[in-house]
Amino acid sequence: KQEVTQIPAALSVPEGKNLVLNCSFTDSAIYNLQWFRQDPGKGLTSLLLIQSSQREQTSGRLNASLDKSSGRSTLYIAASQPGDSATYLCVVRGRTPLVFGKGTRLSVIA
Amino acid sequence: GAGVSQSPSNKVTEKGKDVELRCDPISGHTALYWYRQSLGQGLEFLIYFQGNSAPDKSGLPSDRFSAERTGGSVSTLTIQRTQQEDSAVYLCASSLAPLTGSQPQHFGDGTRLSIL
Repeated sequence: KQEVTQIPAALSVPEGKNLVLNCSFTDSAIYNLQWFRQDPGKGLTSLLLIQSSQREQTSGRLNASLDKSSGRSTLYIAASQPGDSATYLCVVRGRTPLVFGKGTRLSVIA
Repeated sequence: GAGVSQSPSNKVTEKGKDVELRCDPISGHTALYWYRQSLGQGLEFLIYFQGNSAPDKSGLPSDRFSAERTGGSVSTLTIQRTQQEDSAVYLCASSLAPLTGSQPQHFGDGTRLSIL
């Protein structure tokens, strides 16, 4: 059974810092991995999707990497801003239905 | 609108009542998904529709839960004889292609369901 773990559960950083969010999964037979952000009271916003054949994806200040063999993905946020404050979710699609991590709650302090 | 639309945004009902939650996906999206997020819990997959294929119902927690998708577009999630543990935010998402493809999911804002 696929399990997805996100570390840390919560993170607070000063504005301007670069930071890394971690996601690990137990079954490496995946189709893709997607990172989302969730703002309070809102649905999920897709940030980056990495196919199993890919190593990384970039969008603006965000970079997501995937190491399928070790069951790990990281989301790198450069030059963090207060507007980046949200919960970041890692979602894995594989043989089992979609499995979500519990998220990392990020606070960027101005 | 351009995004996934869910209604109602909030629903409060008494234990034992039936509820229907609606999802209107992005036009042209063939794949539609339902999830729920209970207080303090992560997101939980419920059901997945892809085109005219039989839906993947493996995430439905009990036979009180059912969903249908009419005409390959709008979907309705029905919960019968609601229980207090059904209280959660129910999220719907759609994507252009199956999850094995390269298309990301787009989420609605969810329906917050409270069972008294």
